[in-house]
Amino acid sequence: GAVVSQHPSRVICKSGTSVKIECRSLDFQATTMFWYRQFPKQSLMLMATSNEGSKATYEQGVEKDKFLINHASLTLSTLTVTSAHPEDSSFYICSAGAQGIQTQYFGPGTRLLVL
Amino acid sequence: GDSVTQMEGPVTLSEEAFLTINCTYTATGYPSLFWYVQYPGEGLQLLLKATKADDKGSNKGFEATYRKETTSFHLEKGSVQVSDSAVYFCALSEVGNQFYFGTGTSLTVIP
Repeated sequence: GAVVSQHPSRVICKSGTSVKIECRSLDFQATTMFWYRQFPKQSLMLMATSNEGSKATYEQGVEKDKFLINHASLTLSTLTVTSAHPEDSSFYICSAGAQGIQTQYFGPGTRLLVL
Repeated sequence: GDSVTQMEGPVTLSEEAFLTINCTYTATGYPSLFWYVQYPGEGLQLLLKATKADDKGSNKGFEATYRKETTSFHLEKGSVQVSDSAVYFCALSEVGNQFYFGTGTSLTVIP
């Protein structure tokens, strides 16, 4: 299957700082990328869907000004957690899809810990 | 709306036991169905999928059959191994690629 990478795999930051997480599709052009959040021992919660070159669509309850998503190219999407707080600590997973492919390819996830 | 209901865990089995993890779904159209596996500290990996009714997905000894009449996609394996210990997620996807995940079932296999 296709390969999706995430960077960094783990990040620890101080409260109030911003953190950027990158999601790259390595061997295909991802027209759509998805960002999920996973709390311990829970399922994935879709945060937003981004299509290349357009604004992301956020799920209800997700603050778009706090979780900035950029999908500037067909191989890269970024999630920036602005002014992070301890309650933002979580496992963030991206996935990538393409038109005509009814499968998403998941990145390995980024574990964020805000102190 | 679309949704997935998955058997709650955790599930603990002895090595070589038979595994079943139940999954049922609700969908407005004709979804594709998936099982993903998540090993500790890692992201999700696609385990198997089925794209239409009566299809059987299989991989690494795991199987699941897309049953439209019962709206189910139960995961089975005849003989589990310690290395199968992980969290298993059932999911569906319709047109537009949005995925709906179940809550996950944690499996622990003991020697």
